[in-house]
Amino acid sequence: AQSVTQPDIHITVSEGASLELRCNYSYGATPYLFWYVQSPGQGLQLLLKYFSGDTLVQGIKGFEAEFKRSQSSFNLRKPSVHWSDAAEYFCAVGPYSGGGADGLTFGKGTHLIIQP
Amino acid sequence: DVKVTQSSRYLVKRTGEKVFLECVQDMDHENMFWYRQDPGLGLRLIYFSYDVKMKEKGDIPEGYSVSREKKERFSLILESASTNQTSMYLCASSLRAMGTLSYEQYFGPGTRLTVT
Repeated sequence: AQSVTQPDIHITVSEGASLELRCNYSYGATPYLFWYVQSPGQGLQLLLKYFSGDTLVQGIKGFEAEFKRSQSSFNLRKPSVHWSDAAEYFCAVGPYSGGGADGLTFGKGTHLIIQP
Repeated sequence: DVKVTQSSRYLVKRTGEKVFLECVQDMDHENMFWYRQDPGLGLRLIYFSYDVKMKEKGDIPEGYSVSREKKERFSLILESASTNQTSMYLCASSLRAMGTLSYEQYFGPGTRLTVT
């Protein structure tokens, strides 16, 4: 069965510093990969996605992610974080191997804290 | 912009009550999903639907049922609510993937359900 691992439950970063959030996946075929962000009390918003082609993908809010097939990883990066980036971040892989519709399997999330 | 709306942001119900959570999307998406989100567990798929009147079980369907009578509306039903169903419930929708291309999911703001 497919799975997604986000090894860091919490990460604390100073405002203006660079950020890298880790994501590792297990999937039997070519994966489709996503990063979502969830602000407190809100639903999930798509940051970026990888389907094929260039392994470095750009997203909204200055985020980027790199797909590394050899490492089964899809890490999220940002060169300089802002206080408004404090949120929960989820990595996801699809399509869902359970059959039927095109679902996603999500990691458990990484909680990002920004220090002033 | 894709809009996914959920009928309530907060809901408090008593043990044994029948609970309906409603979700509506306005982008003519074929797929709709119900997840529950719990701290430390991430998002877990309860049920999904890829067409009207079609449904498939996700990872944790026990204690839940769903209904999709119209394309834009997907309802989650708790037949007899229990305290262990206290959670955040998120609805999502997506286009039906063509071939092997998996489309991203769009999420509603969530319903925080408390069962007492």
